[in-house]
Amino acid sequence: GIQVEQSPPDLILQEGANSTLRCNFSDSVNNLQWFHQNPWGQLINLFYIPSGTKQNGRLSATTVATERYSLLYISSSQTTDSGVYFCAVDLLIKAAGNKLTFGGGTRVLVKP
Amino acid sequence: DTAVSQTPKYLVTQMGNDKSIKCEQNLGHDTMYWYKQDSKKFLKIMFSYNNKELIINETVPNRFSPKSPDKAHLNLHINSLELGDSAVYFCASRPRLAGGYNEQFFGPGTRLTVL
Repeated sequence: GIQVEQSPPDLILQEGANSTLRCNFSDSVNNLQWFHQNPWGQLINLFYIPSGTKQNGRLSATTVATERYSLLYISSSQTTDSGVYFCAVDLLIKAAGNKLTFGGGTRVLVKP
Repeated sequence: DTAVSQTPKYLVTQMGNDKSIKCEQNLGHDTMYWYKQDSKKFLKIMFSYNNKELIINETVPNRFSPKSPDKAHLNLHINSLELGDSAVYFCASRPRLAGGYNEQFFGPGTRLTVL
């Protein structure tokens, strides 16, 4: 099956710092999503980004599907950015049966 | 509110019991999913339903039985609970494929603890 690898596994940041999280995947995919799992366990959709670049406030993401990777940028980090960031990709199985395969996540801790 | 909702949020039970988790989405989506997140935070697909039809069953023990009474609801029933079933279970949904758009949206999760 498809493999999804995220790096780094852990990241400690000082408030205000910038960082880049990476997601590599082993096969062609139709779609890619980035999620933030906050300390309360909620999975929050950050980006739906099968290709190209998107920005949302201090966060931005870039996916280069042909090279099988995606990057998530966090700028001017805040303590509320702490949590686990997941990359997930889907491989179309049937017309209505695609599923998300998740990476192992990057645990981010932003210190004040 | 427009969302994917799950009940209960927390479930603590004894080994051997049978329990159910309910999921509802009011997004008008056609496809719903159950994912399991283990103690190491790893998330994995369990089941997928499209318009009440089972599409994906990822080698989950047959003690787990999903049921979809209509396309807005997908419930998960677990028989003879085991310690290893302790996890967080997430429900998700996505719209009908149109132009390739198939973003998934997740519920708040149900934390199941088996004692």
